[in-house]
Amino acid sequence: QSALTQPASVSGSPGQSITISCTGTSSDVGGYNYVSWYQHHPGKAPKLIIYDVSSRPSGVSNRFSGSKSGNTASLTISGLQAEDEADYYCSSYTTSSTWVFGGGTKLTVL
Amino acid sequence: EVQLVESGGGLEQPGGSLRLSCAASRFTFSNYAMNWVRQAPGKGLEWVSAISGSGGSTYYADSVKGRFAISRDNSKNTLYLQMNSLRAEDTAMYYCAKDITFGGVVATRGAFDIWGQGTMVTVSS
Repeated sequence: QSALTQPASVSGSPGQSITISCTGTSSDVGGYNYVSWYQHHPGKAPKLIIYDVSSRPSGVSNRFSGSKSGNTASLTISGLQAEDEADYYCSSYTTSSTWVFGGGTKLTVL
Repeated sequence: EVQLVESGGGLEQPGGSLRLSCAASRFTFSNYAMNWVRQAPGKGLEWVSAISGSGGSTYYADSVKGRFAISRDNSKNTLYLQMNSLRAEDTAMYYCAKDITFGGVVATRGAFDIWGQGTMVTVSS
């Protein structure tokens, strides 16, 4: 199972919005509404911020939103804040009854 | 506060074995499926294995199938990963992660809401 495709890096200024894409195939992202997104500050535990494509766990800011179209899922962060600077990973269920992560995207807040 | 604490990592030679543990606290452990996820140095996250709340169903990534075994002891609130025939490419930080879905089944949604801080495994001669 190949990793989902994410841009290596994105950047934005405080207050702006950014979108991170996550491209898979019909065997994973396109085949199921089971895409999750994680925020990972190096040296800390990853944090679930979106699941089931667009649902937010309790306590996660509504500045984070998710969507999907075909084989590509997207994470949008609005009103960028300095603390949003982190690595972001998407993941999806696959037809092999396994789960696959994206390669990760480093978000830089300028 | 719900917590997961991994242990058991270290330096092991290629071909060797290690057993990782993950101690859970402040939630009903048996009601949730659990997972292992790893991150090699400078690389992204990689799902490794999952186990149902009862321990009766297990799943593995192709990269570890036949070499790793996931298990759990619900009386001790502890998750395990037995790692055999270790390879250099198994070098990574290993995280345990709790499934968000109540009920104990390994849900296809694969949403992991609680993670430990990780334990480092290095495979080198």
